Amino acid sequence: ETGVTQSPTHLIKTRGQQVTLRCSSQSGHNTVSWYQQALGQGPQFIFQYYREEENGRGNFPPRFSGLQFPNYSSELNVNALELDDSALYLCASSLAPGQGAGEQFFGPGTRLTVL
Amino acid sequence: AQSVTQLGSHVSVSEGALVLLRCNYSSSVPPYLFWYVQYPNQGLQLLLKYTTGATLVKGINGFEAEFKKSETSFHLTKPSAHMSDAAEYFCAVRGNSGNEKLTFGTGTRLTIIP
Repeated sequence: ETGVTQSPTHLIKTRGQQVTLRCSSQSGHNTVSWYQQALGQGPQFIFQYYREEENGRGNFPPRFSGLQFPNYSSELNVNALELDDSALYLCASSLAPGQGAGEQFFGPGTRLTVL
Repeated sequence: AQSVTQLGSHVSVSEGALVLLRCNYSSSVPPYLFWYVQYPNQGLQLLLKYTTGATLVKGINGFEAEFKKSETSFHLTKPSAHMSDAAEYFCAVRGNSGNEKLTFGTGTRLTIIP
């Protein structure tokens, strides 16, 4: 069984730039959720993708956007980067909503630093 | 809306001592609750979960948690701490909307004293 993978591991960008983060879901999972974890904080829900469509969104501005592909992998895109976007970005995969207990399995994260 | 409060951002225990990490939740519906562990520079690993049924749930690495509805609590315990337990621990509650998002607490950093 293949776990959740994310790329890249680390990324350094400057304010105003754009970034794309990638995630491959665990085998058998068709739902992907993205979380932002600022230093010293718990993860905050950004959005979820199911059947290649956004299925719920947290309190994040529209410059945070995403995609899900037919193979269930996903991308998180952030435009017009701000200093406060510096964080660990976590991807989690799960079964379809309504199936199972909703437990999510996390990847190792992408550490984004905005200078 | 769901929320989670973790009391104590830092907890230190001696090796071999009892570990107790506290979590209180707020939910308008019967909650699904989770504990995750995060080691330095890593993602989150699921320790255990409560859905329905037995209120005492056992997880990996000797951890267990008890769901107490009357106290809206889901505290994590381990009888005897090991050095390898040093990590950040997060309690989370599952949303009841269509996306089942997880709402996390702010975490508790567990330090084990040799």
